[in-house]
Amino acid sequence: DTEVTQTPKHLVMGMTNKKSLKCEQHMGHRAMYWYKQKAKKPPELMFVYSYEKLSINESVPSRFSPECPNSSLLNLHLHALQPEDSALYLCASSSAGTGFDTQYFGPGTRLTVL
Amino acid sequence: GIQVEQSPPDLILQEGANSTLRCNFSDSVNNLQWFHQNPWGQLINLFYIPSGTKQNGRLSATTVATERYSLLYISSSQTTDSGVYFCAVNYGGATNKLIFGTGTLLAVQP
Repeated sequence: DTEVTQTPKHLVMGMTNKKSLKCEQHMGHRAMYWYKQKAKKPPELMFVYSYEKLSINESVPSRFSPECPNSSLLNLHLHALQPEDSALYLCASSSAGTGFDTQYFGPGTRLTVL
Repeated sequence: GIQVEQSPPDLILQEGANSTLRCNFSDSVNNLQWFHQNPWGQLINLFYIPSGTKQNGRLSATTVATERYSLLYISSSQTTDSGVYFCAVNYGGATNKLIFGTGTLLAVQP
């Protein structure tokens, strides 16, 4: 079963709110990723977790805080976001996080910041 | 860093037509994937193809790694093929950091 799930599907939040995005996979994968996609643009990598340790942070502002509680779960905590952070947030997973893995993507969370 | 360019940027087809989408990359890669992003935003894996040719139903893909390009062929297109097609590459590095191409927006009309 090559499935990555994400909740919620849609999220509207104010600039002072705190919210979290959740991602789950049950494929036994050991690498998980967060991507951000603005309208009419390709996805851009934000964070990579490999074996539950943060291995890549693409200079993402601290108002985005990732967390990997275990090998199946990945969270993205949001605080004090700006309207320009409105985007589709995609989670992905792959077997080991090497340069030769296939990445599988979830359906995304569409975030609107008011 | 590596540049990944796709062409054409937009494509309109009549149902039943064939098409070829191209992905050019500026450096050697470990990994190349093709995705279809449907109108709801879901990225669907089509191929993992760092080199060679693969086929899956009406779709096939060829990557010529030495010449730094990949082609995606869609035959007998259907309206459900509409959406954005991305290629994505990993280059150098031990970690699977995918760099996405610029995308091709495909509209298949009935």
